[in-house]
Amino acid sequence: EDQVTQSPEALRLQEGESSSLNCSYTVSGLRGLFWYRQDPGKGPEFLFTLYSAGEEKEKERLKATLTKKESFLHITAPKPEDSATYLCAVLPPGGSYIPTFGRGTSLIVHP
Amino acid sequence: DAGVTQSPTHLIKTRGQQVTLRCSPKSGHDTVSWYQQALGQGPQFIFQYYEEEERQRGNFPDRFSGHQFPNYSSELNVNALLLGDSALYLCASAQWGPEIAYGYTFGSGTRLTVV
Repeated sequence: EDQVTQSPEALRLQEGESSSLNCSYTVSGLRGLFWYRQDPGKGPEFLFTLYSAGEEKEKERLKATLTKKESFLHITAPKPEDSATYLCAVLPPGGSYIPTFGRGTSLIVHP
Repeated sequence: DAGVTQSPTHLIKTRGQQVTLRCSPKSGHDTVSWYQQALGQGPQFIFQYYEEEERQRGNFPDRFSGHQFPNYSSELNVNALLLGDSALYLCASAQWGPEIAYGYTFGSGTRLTVV
């Protein structure tokens, strides 16, 4: 069973059309949830770390929120340069320090 | 300040061959992790090296092996290549310690195509 599920798999938006990406997780005792941006043919680029339910973090047009079962990445008034794959990863309970990644959401913003 | 450097950027190999991929960590980092990312999938953890030893391993067969050198750089070796090994191979570096999970930096990857 996947620990991290991201939806939708793909999202097409018009420039300026705000939306949200979802990351749901099944692990309990979460020690951290990460959001990354990945451009085609490139490695993931770190965006945010969230630690506890109710926490929010913002960066330019992006805002990440966390509940006990899921996280949302809200994109406000997106621009074409926001087009990328957005990956969510969770740090499971216990001693492991290796994040488990979801499959990502591919976002395309049309001008 | 150079980030994580991987080489080569692209590689084409024939089924059954062996391949070696290389990674130089970000300055100040001493730990290297390797991931496999198939098309349309998230990165899957292969293994992690610190102090020239494999510290943790994901669910990958023994055909996947690695090495870390005294200068913290690392190699990923894959033997008896299969078509299913075609993927983007990512290297991530960090500084060993209690906060390691929160400080990974990824390279741009090596695109391996097995034909």
